[in-house]
Amino acid sequence: GAGVSQTPSNKVTEKGKYVELRCDPISGHTALYWYRQSLGQGPEFLIYFQGTGAADDSGLPNDRFFAVRPEGSVSTLKIQRTERGDSAVYLCASSLGLDTDTQYFGPGTRLTVL
Amino acid sequence: AQSVSQHNHHVILSEAASLELGCNYSYGGTVNLFWYVQYPGQHLQLLLKYFSGDPLVKGIKGFEAEFIKSKFSFNLRKPSVQWSDTAEYFCAVIVYAGNNRKLIWGLGTSLAVNP
Repeated sequence: GAGVSQTPSNKVTEKGKYVELRCDPISGHTALYWYRQSLGQGPEFLIYFQGTGAADDSGLPNDRFFAVRPEGSVSTLKIQRTERGDSAVYLCASSLGLDTDTQYFGPGTRLTVL
Repeated sequence: AQSVSQHNHHVILSEAASLELGCNYSYGGTVNLFWYVQYPGQHLQLLLKYFSGDPLVKGIKGFEAEFIKSKFSFNLRKPSVQWSDTAEYFCAVIVYAGNNRKLIWGLGTSLAVNP
């Protein structure tokens, strides 16, 4: 596609539920990043994929968070047993693969946990 | 721990005023530096980046930034702002420690330019 797309754009869920957030990177981009952004904060790094493998998942806050990229393209961020503190905008970005490459961001998914 | 500090959280300027947004990082090793911008209702997008070479980097829309290694700084500048520069600006730094790399973001600076 022309840019990074993320679905859904908005997700409202109840505390304790499971959610999946999807990211479609730009075609041909091997690197994919997930960030979380709370109101008034900068993006907080969660996880980075190079191809199908998670090259760095040190930003995942706890084991309720998990992300996959099984075919090296689309990625899904999965959150189990959601908590109110998980409410944020979840951003996805992709790049050609090198650190020198520009990251292109998607519009984000606004997650609200009631 | 490594961190990125943006000194100005909210900046209000009139059109044609000069802009300088501060960014300092705390890490003594190799870094790559970025400024990203988020216009109202739009995605984050890259303004400019520094990896090596000339420490004065030119970006889009007339922005520039200067990497001063001795000061651990990467301040963003524009000589004359326009109303359309109203946006949120983020400084970000990749730090390299051994085989690990980590991208760290500042909290952002909200710029409002009055026409």
